[in-house]
Amino acid sequence: QVQLQQSGPELVKPGALVKISCKASGYTFTSYDINWVKQRPGQGLEWIGWIYPGDGSTKYNEKFKGKATLTADKSSSTAYMQLSSLTSENSAVYFCARSVRRGYYAMDYWGQGTSVTVSS
Amino acid sequence: DILLTQSPAILSVSPGERVSFSCRASQSIGTSIHWYQQRTNGSPSLLIKYASESISGIPSRFSGSGSGTDFTLSINNVESEDIADYYCQQSNSWPYTFGGGTKLEIK
Repeated sequence: QVQLQQSGPELVKPGALVKISCKASGYTFTSYDINWVKQRPGQGLEWIGWIYPGDGSTKYNEKFKGKATLTADKSSSTAYMQLSSLTSENSAVYFCARSVRRGYYAMDYWGQGTSVTVSS
Repeated sequence: DILLTQSPAILSVSPGERVSFSCRASQSIGTSIHWYQQRTNGSPSLLIKYASESISGIPSRFSGSGSGTDFTLSINNVESEDIADYYCQQSNSWPYTFGGGTKLEIK
């Protein structure tokens, strides 16, 4: 069965960076886009960007350019998102999610979410 | 960016009733709208894709309709397990965006 297993909660200091992982299983990792979505406490959902592990291509929401960097390791079927220069505005739960098909951006499988707390 | 407006913010219905959620786009997006359910402290789950296409494993009492700028998610015979937040999402224009959500409460 398809699963996306994300790394555990992070407590980081302002100005630091954090790297979240999303390990995929149960399907061909290189055939589907992986998307990243942000959700602040009590708030709605915000699309950060996607990566296609097949060729490493990415697309970012302009709002997150320079903040988020998406990568993927085909050998371990793991996608990563690095967030840099963290501030309190980046405290949120971050989800990875698979697109239903390459280039079709409904998301059918989601990770359990990774909580990032930025605090000194 | 395309703005998706969901209304109302909160819906309260009795078990067994039918409920409809509205999602309005700031410009025409064809049928590139998808609906998700998010239970408390959970991850979103895809309910409907491309306005009206069903998803394997999702009960048939969930259905979607609409095109252009106005979309509706309906739930027939609401059950207590349907308590959740419901979000629409568009994939017509980058950046893809979500609506602000509607909370479903059971009376």
